[in-house]
Amino acid sequence: GAGVSQSPRYKVAKRGQDVALRCDPISGHVSLFWYQQALGQGPEFLTYFQNEAQLDKSGLPSDRFFAERPEGSVSTLKIQRTQQEDSAVYLCASSFGGLREKLFFGSGTQLSVL
Amino acid sequence: DQQVKQNSPSLSVQEGRISILNCDYTNSMFDYFLWYKKYPAEGPTFLISISSIKDKNEDGRFTVFLNKSAKHLSLHIVPSQPGDSAVYFCAASRDSGGSNYKLTFGKGTLLTVNP
Repeated sequence: GAGVSQSPRYKVAKRGQDVALRCDPISGHVSLFWYQQALGQGPEFLTYFQNEAQLDKSGLPSDRFFAERPEGSVSTLKIQRTQQEDSAVYLCASSFGGLREKLFFGSGTQLSVL
Repeated sequence: DQQVKQNSPSLSVQEGRISILNCDYTNSMFDYFLWYKKYPAEGPTFLISISSIKDKNEDGRFTVFLNKSAKHLSLHIVPSQPGDSAVYFCAASRDSGGSNYKLTFGKGTLLTVNP
C-alpha cells in the first residue's frame, strides 16, 4: 500500500474486554514498531520487530500486552483484560531498515476503555 | 521522569515570521535527535534530524540547532507558513548501545501560524 495502514481507526472497549489492533506496514519494510500515545503526551515505545522476530518488547506496560508479526508483514497488538489506563492512541510505524528518519507512521488506533 | 522535554505546549506566530521551537533533554547518552510534525488524525511525519557530531542541520525553511553542553536543541522555521500549523515533537535516541531504533519523544508543541 501507499502508507502504513491501521485498523480499526477507533475502538471502544468495556473494561475487562480483550482487543486486537492491526497494522499493515508499507510493503517490503523490514522493521515494525508499536508506540503508545496517551492524551497530552508524546508517543512512547512499546515494541520492535525485525521481520517476524520481536527483538525488543521492553516497552510493553504489562503482560496483558502482546504483539505478534507471524509472517513478517502484518502485525497485531493484543491487549487482554483492558483497563482504563490503556486508553490511548496506538501508533504503528515501519521502516525499510530501522533507520529513524525513514520511519513511517500510521494514523493510529484510538482506544477508549470505559 | 521526562528525558525529553518540550516546555512550551503551544506557540503562535504570524505568517512570514520565524518560529522557534525548543527542546531539552536530560539523558547525556542521547546522540541523535529528530523533529516530527503531526497533523490532527494523522501519524507523525519525519521533518529533520541532527547527529551530536554537528551543531546545525538545515533543510529548506527548517533548521535544527544543537547545543550539547546545554542539552538543548531548537527547530527554526523561516518563513513560517499557515500550512506549518501542527504539533511538533522532538525525539531522541542513542546511536550506540544497540537500541538506536528506539525513539524517546517529548510531549509536543502546538504551532499555530496565523495568516
